[in-house]
Amino acid sequence: AQSVSQHNHHVILSEAASLELGCNYSYGGTVNLFWYVQYPGQHLQLLLKYFSGDPLVKGIKGFEAEFIKSKFSFNLRKPSVQWSDTAEYFCAVNAEGTDKLIFGTGTRLQVFP
Amino acid sequence: SQTIHQWPATLVQPVGSPLSLECTVEGTSNPNLYWYRQAAGRGLQLLFYSVGIGQISSEVPQNLSASRPQDRQFILSSKKLLLSDSGFYLCAWSTGDRGFTDTQYFGPGTRLTVL
Repeated sequence: AQSVSQHNHHVILSEAASLELGCNYSYGGTVNLFWYVQYPGQHLQLLLKYFSGDPLVKGIKGFEAEFIKSKFSFNLRKPSVQWSDTAEYFCAVNAEGTDKLIFGTGTRLQVFP
Repeated sequence: SQTIHQWPATLVQPVGSPLSLECTVEGTSNPNLYWYRQAAGRGLQLLFYSVGIGQISSEVPQNLSASRPQDRQFILSSKKLLLSDSGFYLCAWSTGDRGFTDTQYFGPGTRLTVL
C-alpha cells in the first residue's frame, strides 16, 4: 500500500534560519506530489505541487520543493524562514491513475522572532 | 470566488448518538467533494469522495456514511457514534477535471469529540 512519511513532527527555528522538511513516499510508479499548509486559524491550502517537468518546483511565499525520484522524496525548502511561516505542513502523494491522495502525518513548524 | 463552509465548527456527542456534519460549496458547479478525518498524531485519512449527486465512494469501512443530496452539498452521517470517531473532519472540493491530481480546497473543519 502507498504511504507517505514525514519524519519531522515538530520543527523549531529562529527567523532567517533555513528550512528543510522531509517527505518520502512508497510507490514505484509515476506520482503527483503536493505540499499543503495550514496556518493558525486558517484553512488547509495548497503550497505547491509537482506533476511533471522540472523537478524543482517553486510555490508561494518563497517555498520550493525538489522531487528526487531515486530517493522517493519531495522535500520542502525555504532559505530564510519568517515568523509568519509558523504553520503545519502536510505532504501528499497521488499515484498516477489512482483515485487516492495520501497525506503524511504533518510537520508542525514554529518560527521564533 | 469559491468558498466552502462546514458546520458545526465543534461538536461534543455521547457514544451511541447520531451524527450529521454538513459541507457546502459556493461559486462552482459539479465539484468533486471529499470528506477527510484527521485523528490526533495522524495524517488526513480520506473517508468518502463524490464526483456527482448521489455518487459516493467509500475508502474506509466504518460506521460512517456520506450523502450528496445536491450538487454542492456533502453530508457526513452516523447512526451511532463510537469513541474512535473523535477527530477533526475536513471537507474539500476540487474542480473535477483531473480527479485526485486536482488542487483540493479545504473547509475550516469540524472538531468532533465523542465522550
